[in-house]
Amino acid sequence: TQLLEQSPQFLSIQEGENLTVYCNSSSVFSSLQWYRQEPGEGPVLLVTVVTGGEVKKLKRLTFQFGDARKDSSLHITAAQPGDTGLYLCAGGSNYKLTFGKGTLLTVNP
Amino acid sequence: NAGVTQTPKFQVLKTGQSMTLQCAQDMNHNSMYWYRQDPGMGLRLIYYSASEGTTDKGEVPNGYNVSRLNKREFSLRLESAAPSQTSVYFCASTLGYSYEQYFGPGTRLTVT
Repeated sequence: TQLLEQSPQFLSIQEGENLTVYCNSSSVFSSLQWYRQEPGEGPVLLVTVVTGGEVKKLKRLTFQFGDARKDSSLHITAAQPGDTGLYLCAGGSNYKLTFGKGTLLTVNP
Repeated sequence: NAGVTQTPKFQVLKTGQSMTLQCAQDMNHNSMYWYRQDPGMGLRLIYYSASEGTTDKGEVPNGYNVSRLNKREFSLRLESAAPSQTSVYFCASTLGYSYEQYFGPGTRLTVT
């Protein structure tokens, strides 16, 4: 069974701070996605990383895929209250996704 | 484009009752998925359908059945609901061999 571990589980910060959340596995994935989920809604795809060592930027969000394609990180610069939500990583293999349990981020104004 | 739609949005069942959760997508996606999301457990795959006419078990299939009615629609049935099936259920779809999934808004099910 492939497992994805996310850390931290909870994170509460002030507006303007930087943060990094991590997604780690002992398994190799074909690709890795990050999703954001707001209360009462379904997850929304933020980014897909495919190549080991790949770095993608989405405005203030920077995503990195580990060289061995087993881990990933999400870095947010100058967090804003609108960044509040549950951040989920998901690894793709055999046409299915395995999800981590998520990092619940709260950005306080 | 409505994307992925799910009905109903909320449902309360008594133990032993049955119901079907409906999911439809208008993006011409080949693959469709059913997940449940419980506090502290993340999203767990119940069943999936890689293409029209095929279905496969996921991580937690017990107590559920599915039907891929056509390319657009994928339903999830609870034959005899149990309190352990209280959860939020999400349907998702993806195009071809892509892992980029698009999710519906969810169905919040309570079994008493």
